[in-house]
Amino acid sequence: AQSVAQPEDQVNVAEGNPLTVKCTYSVSGNPYLFWYVQYPNRGLQFLLKYITGDNLVKGSYGFEAEFNKSQTSFHLKKPSALVSDSALYFCAVRDIVASGTYKYIFGTGTRLKVLA
Amino acid sequence: DTGVSQDPRHKITKRGQNVTFRCDPISEHNRLYWYRQTLGQGPEFLTYFQNEAQLEKSRLLSDRFSAERPKGSFSTLEIQRTEQGDSAMYLCASSLEGRDNTEAFFGQGTRLTVV
Repeated sequence: AQSVAQPEDQVNVAEGNPLTVKCTYSVSGNPYLFWYVQYPNRGLQFLLKYITGDNLVKGSYGFEAEFNKSQTSFHLKKPSALVSDSALYFCAVRDIVASGTYKYIFGTGTRLKVLA
Repeated sequence: DTGVSQDPRHKITKRGQNVTFRCDPISEHNRLYWYRQTLGQGPEFLTYFQNEAQLEKSRLLSDRFSAERPKGSFSTLEIQRTEQGDSAMYLCASSLEGRDNTEAFFGQGTRLTVV
């Protein structure tokens, strides 16, 4: 089965500094990888995805993610953090299940705090 | 397109009562998912529909849980004889699978508190 791991429970970064939120994956076959953000008492918002093609994927709100096959990583990045980026971030992988359909497997989440 | 809609947003119920949640997916989306999220955890898969067919159920979905999507549009998730351990955020998501459409879009969730 596919899985993702987010090794950091929390990441603190100063406003204006670059940020990185880490994700590693374990899949068989080609990975379909995603990043979502969750604000308090809200659902998850899609940020970006990697299916195939360029290893650097650009998404919403200035976020990007780098797919690294040799390191099995899909880290989320932003060149300059904003206080409003403070939220819970989830990495996810799409898993093919027995019925031949899909479900999404999420990591445990990383809380990002951007300090003014 | 108003996105995925869930109702109610919050539900407080006494232990032993039944509750039902509703999800309206994005209109053209044929796939619908239910997830459960507890505090400090990532969403956990519960069940999945393709159109009206329920194709996958997690072991997390005990006999007290049932989900339906009768006409392939909205879906309901019912929990019978609620327990305190059922307290969580219940998230619905939908997707339209295609070569470039692989991501799921989530609703705001229904927060259930069992007292």
